[in-house]
Amino acid sequence: KAGVTQTPRYLIKTRGQQVTLSCSPISGHRSVSWYQQTPGQGLQFLFEYFSETQRNKGNFPGRFSGRQFSNSRSEMNVSTLELGDSALYLCASSFSGGYNEQFFGPGTRLTVL
Amino acid sequence: AQSVTQLDSHVSVSEGTPVLLRCNYSSSYSPSLFWYVQHPNKGLQLLLKYTSAATLVKGINGFEAEFKKSETSFHLTKPSAHMSDAAEYFCVVSGSPGGGNKLTFGTGTQLKVEL
Repeated sequence: KAGVTQTPRYLIKTRGQQVTLSCSPISGHRSVSWYQQTPGQGLQFLFEYFSETQRNKGNFPGRFSGRQFSNSRSEMNVSTLELGDSALYLCASSFSGGYNEQFFGPGTRLTVL
Repeated sequence: AQSVTQLDSHVSVSEGTPVLLRCNYSSSYSPSLFWYVQHPNKGLQLLLKYTSAATLVKGINGFEAEFKKSETSFHLTKPSAHMSDAAEYFCVVSGSPGGGNKLTFGTGTQLKVEL
């Protein structure tokens, strides 16, 4: 079974631009979650989508948004990029949620200049 | 609210000696607890999980963890360290009031294994 895939793997943007990251979950998994990893703040939860609906949301500004498609693939968008948005963005999928473990993709490394 | 505290930011051991990575948790309800490992420039890999079945949980690569409710701890151990174990380890608690997936990560413990 193929794992979680994320595209692109690396991205360089400038302040003020917007960016879209993509995540394809493991086949059969309906829950997709997004996390931001930075040296200063560690790993922080952004949001979770399940069956095309946002089920949980972390404490990030509205510039961070996401969506999920009917095939469970998910995208996250960051508008009006700031230098502090430079981070590794990780996507994780699970079958449904709750006690189901989450499987992580390799991440997208975003650098904002 | 849920939180985890990893008591050591860095642990250094010699190859062949035991590993102990400490984690305390706080949860308003019965928690699911996990340990994940992250090797340099790689994603997160699940080592093991606790979901209220057995309190001693065995994971991959010889790791295990014991859930102690009275101490609110979930320490990770391995009898004999290998060079390939050098990585960052995260203790994680899962859950949110409305259900679904929300992982809360500890700050991580960097494990160094020396010859």
